[in-house]
Amino acid sequence: GAGVSQSPSNKVTEKGKDVELRCDPISGHTALYWYRQSLGQGLEFLIYFQGNSAPDKSGLPSDRFSAERTGGSVSTLTIQRTQQEDSAVYLCASSFNSYEQYFGPGTRLTVT
Amino acid sequence: AQSVTQPDIHITVSEGASLELRCNYSYGATPYLFWYVQSPGQGLQLLLKYFSGDTLVQGIKGFEAEFKRSQSSFNLRKPSVHWSDAAEYFCAVAPSGSARQLTFGSGTQLTVLP
Repeated sequence: GAGVSQSPSNKVTEKGKDVELRCDPISGHTALYWYRQSLGQGLEFLIYFQGNSAPDKSGLPSDRFSAERTGGSVSTLTIQRTQQEDSAVYLCASSFNSYEQYFGPGTRLTVT
Repeated sequence: AQSVTQPDIHITVSEGASLELRCNYSYGATPYLFWYVQSPGQGLQLLLKYFSGDTLVQGIKGFEAEFKRSQSSFNLRKPSVHWSDAAEYFCAVAPSGSARQLTFGSGTQLTVLP
């Protein structure tokens, strides 16, 4: 079946602009995660959605970062007033039982 | 706080040779343990996982890993490496009973020589 998809695959933006990154999880998966992968910090957890529960936002690095998940499916990660240190690959994962996470190909964000 | 250490940043092996990638974790209780592989420009693919039971777990692509509680280790092994195994490998942990969020090691880059 179809895996986790993310769009766009690449995004170049100017410092100070807002960006939206999209994640389509595997159908039927109730849990959705966002991670960031950067050279200096490795793989970092950002946010976790489980069903209709309040999301776990404990990994968001600043209030410029937010995410929502509509209808328990598609998720959008928004970064406001982008900074150069936001440049990274943003990975989305989904899970059926919260034990095994399946990752999408990622969105490479470059802030110039 | 839990942490994962992959002491080898880069490993080079010849095709057909055996492979062992090291992973050590620090956690109050036995966590859930995972190995993921990432090929260039790709997302992470789950190779194998350990939750409980038999400490030697088999995964995809001929990989296996052994959980050693006394050493807080979960090393990944393959008896004979193929050129297509060249990639970056990540060990990850999550609190037992849930994989709400994974804590990843820094990764080991594997180069395979012909």
